Amino acid sequence: EVQLVESGGGLVKPGGSLRLSCAASGFTFSSYSMNWVRQAPGKGLEWVSSISSSSSYIYYADSVKGRFTISRDNAKNSLYLQMNSLRAEDTAVYYCARDVIAAAGPSFDPWGQGTLVTVSS
Amino acid sequence: QTVVTQEPSLTVSPGGTVTLTCASSTGAVTSGYYPNWFQQKPGQAPRALIYSTSNKHSWTPARFSGSLLGGKAALTLSGVQPEDEAEYYCLLYYGGARVFGGGTKLTVL
Repeated sequence: EVQLVESGGGLVKPGGSLRLSCAASGFTFSSYSMNWVRQAPGKGLEWVSSISSSSSYIYYADSVKGRFTISRDNAKNSLYLQMNSLRAEDTAVYYCARDVIAAAGPSFDPWGQGTLVTVSS
Repeated sequence: QTVVTQEPSLTVSPGGTVTLTCASSTGAVTSGYYPNWFQQKPGQAPRALIYSTSNKHSWTPARFSGSLLGGKAALTLSGVQPEDEAEYYCLLYYGGARVFGGGTKLTVL
């Protein structure tokens, strides 16, 4: 079964740091690009960052550029998001999602269950 | 900053048909933006429904279909079921970046 499990969320003070992890199983992790997507309480989805299978291509949303760093360890089947200089507006459930490239085009599937990050003093 | 716009809310009767749309602030949405559609129910992670404008995943019910309509991406639900009540998000690819729409809350009433 293809599965993604996020961890590392929690309560952190403004200006603090947190590192999220996403453990992948059931597929060849090293063959897929991966994404982080977040959802603030009661709000919509926001794409955060993407990383290619070999880490050659990395992209960030403007809202996190310079503060967040995406990385992966293919030997450990794991995706990471290092979040620094956290702000109240970073409070959200953070999901990891696999980038699937079919013949017709890309999609996000599957998604993990998410991990909650709360930034508050 | 690129903005992707969806209808905030729509209401449809059971058995009816409804179309949700997805517009880009950069201009007409084309197949090159690889429009995706996701369904999210309360307390659950999003689930992929449609990719690359009109392609269905193996689990996508036949009543869901995707298209391009008047410069926008569109998701049409035909023969709506009560279990289709959910939030629906579109996703567009802008090169390496991806942008989600604000979501459409679909009420089945």
